[in-house]
Amino acid sequence: QVQLVQSGAEVKMPESSVRVSCQASGGTFSSHAINWVRQAPGQGLEWMGNFVPIFGRTNLAQKFQGRVTITADGSTSTVYMELSSLRSEDTAVYYCARGQLFGYSSSHFDSWGQGTLVTVSS
Amino acid sequence: DIQMTQSPSTLSASVGDRVTITCRASQTINNWLAWYQQKPGKAPNLLIYQASTLKNGVPSRFSGSGSGTEFTLTISSLQPDDFATYYCQQYNSYSFGQGTRLEIK
Repeated sequence: QVQLVQSGAEVKMPESSVRVSCQASGGTFSSHAINWVRQAPGQGLEWMGNFVPIFGRTNLAQKFQGRVTITADGSTSTVYMELSSLRSEDTAVYYCARGQLFGYSSSHFDSWGQGTLVTVSS
Repeated sequence: DIQMTQSPSTLSASVGDRVTITCRASQTINNWLAWYQQKPGKAPNLLIYQASTLKNGVPSRFSGSGSGTEFTLTISSLQPDDFATYYCQQYNSYSFGQGTRLEIK
């Protein structure tokens, strides 16, 4: 049974960057995509992007292009999401989620991490 | 971008009721649609994918249907554990519906 374990909560200053990690265990890391989804307080779900290890490919939502970097360390089955130029509107819970391969990207998200709260405040 | 519109936003129902949530896509997405359940303070949980395929372990009272632009999630007989927020998601460009909060009447 796959398990995704995320790094702990962060408090960041505006204009800084944050990096959240997601370590996968119990599954085949390279044969799935890892997606990043965020949820602002009291709001819905927003897809940010994904990394597909088998292709070494990153797909990003247009909104986050230029501000999000997704990388991976295959030796530890860990995917990292870095969000830069933080602003108060980026305060949210950030989730990683495993996706089944679908073309060069992902289909449905069948396992989720526990979430990481990122608070942006001066 | 593909917009996903769920209705209703809030649904009040009782244990044992049959309920249906609708999700409409702004353009055709074939059957590339998933449904998730989310409880407060928890990560979403996949219920259905490919519009109508139940994830292993999900109770059979959940069902999904539709293709193209209109989809439904039906819960045949509500159980206490089902009161939660439900989201649809298309996996062409991954947008989610705004959510439907299912509350106890």
